[in-house]
Amino acid sequence: KAGVTQTPRYLIKTRGQQVTLSCSPISGHRSVSWYQQTPGQGLQFLFEYFSETQRNKGNFPGRFSGRQFSNSRSEMNVSTLELGDSALYLCASSLQGARDGYTFGSGTRLTVV
Amino acid sequence: AQSVTQLDSQVPVFEEAPVELRCNYSSSVSVYLFWYVQYPNQGLQLLLKYLSGSTLVKGINGFEAEFNKSQTSFHLRKPSVHISDTAEYFCAVPAGGSARQLTFGSGTQLTVLP
Repeated sequence: KAGVTQTPRYLIKTRGQQVTLSCSPISGHRSVSWYQQTPGQGLQFLFEYFSETQRNKGNFPGRFSGRQFSNSRSEMNVSTLELGDSALYLCASSLQGARDGYTFGSGTRLTVV
Repeated sequence: AQSVTQLDSQVPVFEEAPVELRCNYSSSVSVYLFWYVQYPNQGLQLLLKYLSGSTLVKGINGFEAEFNKSQTSFHLRKPSVHISDTAEYFCAVPAGGSARQLTFGSGTQLTVLP
């Protein structure tokens, strides 16, 4: 079966711009989580969506937001980009949540210049 | 809140040698634990997970891990490594008892030398 698809793979944006990243989970998976990965901070949880509802949110500023559609596809948006937002953004899908074990996408590498 | 510590940031090992990657967690509640692997320019892949039952958990690619409650450890082992095992390995635990997010360790870079 198809894996988790994240688009785009690479993105370069300028400070102050906004960006939208997309994630298509494995068919049948209702939970989609987003993580930010940086060399300095490692993997940090952004938020989790389940059946179109945000169930959990990490400690990130309000510039980071997301949503989930009825087909379980998810998007995350970052507004007013800062240099420190440069990171690999990973989407993880699971049947019901983290306890089931995640299937990760390959990530979107965002570079803010 | 639960936390996880990976004791070694880098582990070099020769091909066909055994390897152990160490992970310790802190928790006052029942736990479940994971090991994930990340190859260069890819996302993470689930190696194995412990939910309950047998403390020895077998995963993919010949890896196994042992849950030790008294030592709060979940070390990952492989009896004979291959060049293709070169990757970064992450131990993860539920964050604050939540089933809805994981706290990841800082990672261990395993480098298999020919």
